[in-house]
Amino acid sequence: DVKVTQSSRYLVKRTGEKVFLECVQDMDHENMFWYRQDPGLGLRLIYFSYDVKMKEKGDIPEGYSVSREKKERFSLILESASTNQTSMYLCASRSGDRSYEQYFGPGTRLTVT
Amino acid sequence: RKEVEQDPGPFNVPEGATVAFNCTYSNSASQSFFWYRQDCRKEPKLLMSVYSSGNEDGRFTAQLNRASQYISLLIRDSKLSDSATYLCVVNPITGGGNKLTFGTGTQLKVEL
Repeated sequence: DVKVTQSSRYLVKRTGEKVFLECVQDMDHENMFWYRQDPGLGLRLIYFSYDVKMKEKGDIPEGYSVSREKKERFSLILESASTNQTSMYLCASRSGDRSYEQYFGPGTRLTVT
Repeated sequence: RKEVEQDPGPFNVPEGATVAFNCTYSNSASQSFFWYRQDCRKEPKLLMSVYSSGNEDGRFTAQLNRASQYISLLIRDSKLSDSATYLCVVNPITGGGNKLTFGTGTQLKVEL
């Protein structure tokens, strides 16, 4: 059973703080993803990684960076949090084969005040 | 025009009813299609892939119409446990499987 875990379910940060969101998967998947989900906008891809130390921008990378030092772990970094980054953040992973199924973590609800 | 469009609903249906959702996509070169289910305050999970010939999984049937660029999901004999948001997901040809486009979802509420 694939398991994707995220470090926090709820997080409250102040404007300007540096924020780290951690994601770990236990299925040896090559690909990992960070999305944000907002009402009326659906899931939007921020960044993804297809291998250790490799990353690609998604549709909305501005204001975010990522780090993948180990295969099982993918971190999302908000260098200077802003109120418009208040959102639900979802991490996902998928294997490198032809299956496109993505397995999601439970999400982190981030509030920036 | 959005890449993937869905009626947000909610669709309120009685238990036992048959309900169908459609989803349209704008990129005619899109190569694969999926339905994900998302329960309230939970993460999305794959419900089923959508094949060109149509496919069925128990009470759920998915169909693809490439000419009109839409996919559909039919749920027969609705159960209370089917209440969720159903996300239409498209893999554009340039995505390589890593740039899925998610619709905003259609909310289904099954009532007694």
